[in-house]
Amino acid sequence: GENVEQHPSTLSVQEGDSAVIKCTYSDSASNYFPWYKQELGKRPQLIIDIRSNVGEKKDQRIAVTLNKTAKHFSLHITETQPEDSAVYFCAASEGGYSTLTFGKGTMLLVSP
Amino acid sequence: GAVVSQHPSWVICKSGTSVKIECRSLDFQATTMFWYRQFPKQSLMLMATSNEGSKATYEQGVEKDKFLINHASLTLSTLTVTSAHPEDSSFYICSATPAGNEKLFFGSGTQLSVL
Repeated sequence: GENVEQHPSTLSVQEGDSAVIKCTYSDSASNYFPWYKQELGKRPQLIIDIRSNVGEKKDQRIAVTLNKTAKHFSLHITETQPEDSAVYFCAASEGGYSTLTFGKGTMLLVSP
Repeated sequence: GAVVSQHPSWVICKSGTSVKIECRSLDFQATTMFWYRQFPKQSLMLMATSNEGSKATYEQGVEKDKFLINHASLTLSTLTVTSAHPEDSSFYICSATPAGNEKLFFGSGTQLSVL
């Protein structure tokens, strides 16, 4: 089955800095890669996703890059703000109704 | 986006009792729903895949007689934790995907505390 590794487990940055979270996956058949943000005690919220036919996708301060050959994808957050503080999960699946395999999460702390 | 409602948001029960958690897709039909368990500061662990009109598919290591799943309609799946014990205390969260859409939408989660 799919195995998703996520690094780092914790990340502390100053407000305004950029943050990068990296994930690798093992199943070459995976073609859908979402990122979720989860605030303490709340539901995970989809913040951005990318499919394997695209190398990069951007939405305002958030971007995701995908390298299919190396089987890794990354989340980039620019101009971080304190409200970006949360746990971020990457995931991978074969798309459709295939189950998502989640990474272990990265706790991002943005200090004012 | 699609809305998934989950109730209750928290529950405290005595050891040995059963607890039912409901997961509803409010504005779409979901033939498939997923149930996850999350321990503090850990990732989402898939427990089972709930299929409307058929038996749920459980992940390895998850006791199907312990965690009963019923998906009786296209908008409702329930998870019943039977004979709950303190080790069952956890955050349980459901998710669903609208037809033709691979995006996964999560319920608000249920914090279960078993005394």
